[in-house]
Amino acid sequence: QKEVEQDPGPLSVPEGAIVSLNCTYSNSAFQYFMWYRQYSRKGPELLMYTYSSGNKEDGRFTAQVDKSSKYISLFIRDSQPSDSATYLCAMSGNNRLAFGKGNQVVVIP
Amino acid sequence: SQTIHQWPATLVQPVGSPLSLECTVEGTSNPNLYWYRQAAGRGLQLLFYSVGIGQISSEVPQNLSASRPQDRQFILSSKKLLLSDSGFYLCAWGPLDRASTDTQYFGPGTRLTVL
Repeated sequence: QKEVEQDPGPLSVPEGAIVSLNCTYSNSAFQYFMWYRQYSRKGPELLMYTYSSGNKEDGRFTAQVDKSSKYISLFIRDSQPSDSATYLCAMSGNNRLAFGKGNQVVVIP
Repeated sequence: SQTIHQWPATLVQPVGSPLSLECTVEGTSNPNLYWYRQAAGRGLQLLFYSVGIGQISSEVPQNLSASRPQDRQFILSSKKLLLSDSGFYLCAWGPLDRASTDTQYFGPGTRLTVL
């Protein structure tokens, strides 16, 4: 079983729709959870960071963590064409940092 | 605020040639520094990390090497490039006051093509 599983997509949605992304993990030591956004030919930028179960909102973005199920999600409300990018989940704990492979999102105007 | 620079942005090199990629960080002291390679469909592969000047840990044995001659400078090198070295190379830094594997911030990347 891979340490972090993330469906690579691609995921195409119409503008204004809700984008739902998720990752599962197997390492119970992971305590910190992050989402990065990576535009084509650019470095990943930190989008969301959380360390507890539950929801964290930042504008149109909501990060959700369920430690009991080892499952994290990112929701993008009112998606815009500028949200078209690859989204990578990442998680760390006990001297381990692991990334998902990334999920490509395309928002169609 | 902290800034991370990488150069060159793009590089095309023949097989067997040497390589030197540079990364510098501004606005922070004693950062943890990382080199990753990102290949299409394969995610991020950690190559090296450093917790201080001259301290390098290798995650993947290969023909690449890394050095940290100054606190905020990290260099990725190779004496002879292979075709399989092609990829997108990312430098990242993480604050020292957090666990070495906590949040990391990435540079703009170098796209390397070996022909």
